[in-house]
Amino acid sequence: DAGVIQSPRHEVTEMGQEVTLRCKPISGHDYLFWYRQTMMRGLELLIYFNNNVPIDDSGMPEDRFSAKMPNASFSTLKIQPSEPRDSAVYFCASSSDRDYGYTFGSGTRLTVV
Amino acid sequence: AQSVTQPDIHITVSEGASLELRCNYSYGATPYLFWYVQSPGQGLQLLLKYFSGDTLVQGIKGFEAEFKRSQSSFNLRKPSVHWSDAAEYFCAVAESGGYNKLIFGAGTRLAVHP
Repeated sequence: DAGVIQSPRHEVTEMGQEVTLRCKPISGHDYLFWYRQTMMRGLELLIYFNNNVPIDDSGMPEDRFSAKMPNASFSTLKIQPSEPRDSAVYFCASSSDRDYGYTFGSGTRLTVV
Repeated sequence: AQSVTQPDIHITVSEGASLELRCNYSYGATPYLFWYVQSPGQGLQLLLKYFSGDTLVQGIKGFEAEFKRSQSSFNLRKPSVHWSDAAEYFCAVAESGGYNKLIFGAGTRLAVHP
């Protein structure tokens, strides 16, 4: 298995632009998580899905952030409009009932200038 | 709500020395506990996990951790550190029955001197 795949690895965008981060979970995993990592706040859970349904989005910082999971093999995290304070590393992770412990992707480093 | 505290932000050890990274959790019931390692520019890799049973759990790369309910701790240990162990280490807790809503500690950055 290729693991959790995130794209792009790096994204530099200007303030006000729309940013879309992508994630492909491990096949067969029915939980998908989006985390954000910053020096100031550490690892924060933004949202997670079970069987493609959002279960808890209480960590999504603002309405500018949205996440979708249209099918079991793909999820997106969108920021519109982006702001410099959104600069961070965004991780996607997946898990299943039979495989305790998340598997993380390599992350997307977002820089908003 | 559950929480995780890693008291040490930075730790430096000499190669070959033993290592213990501290982790304390706050959770009313039996927690699910995890240790992850993150190398620079990489994602998090699971080292080991505890759900129930034997309180001493073995993980990858020669790491082990011991769950102590009385101390609400889940400290990570390694008898002899290698230079390649330099990384950031995260302790995490989830609700029982839950690998969902994993809550992470702030992390401990480990430096290894030759």
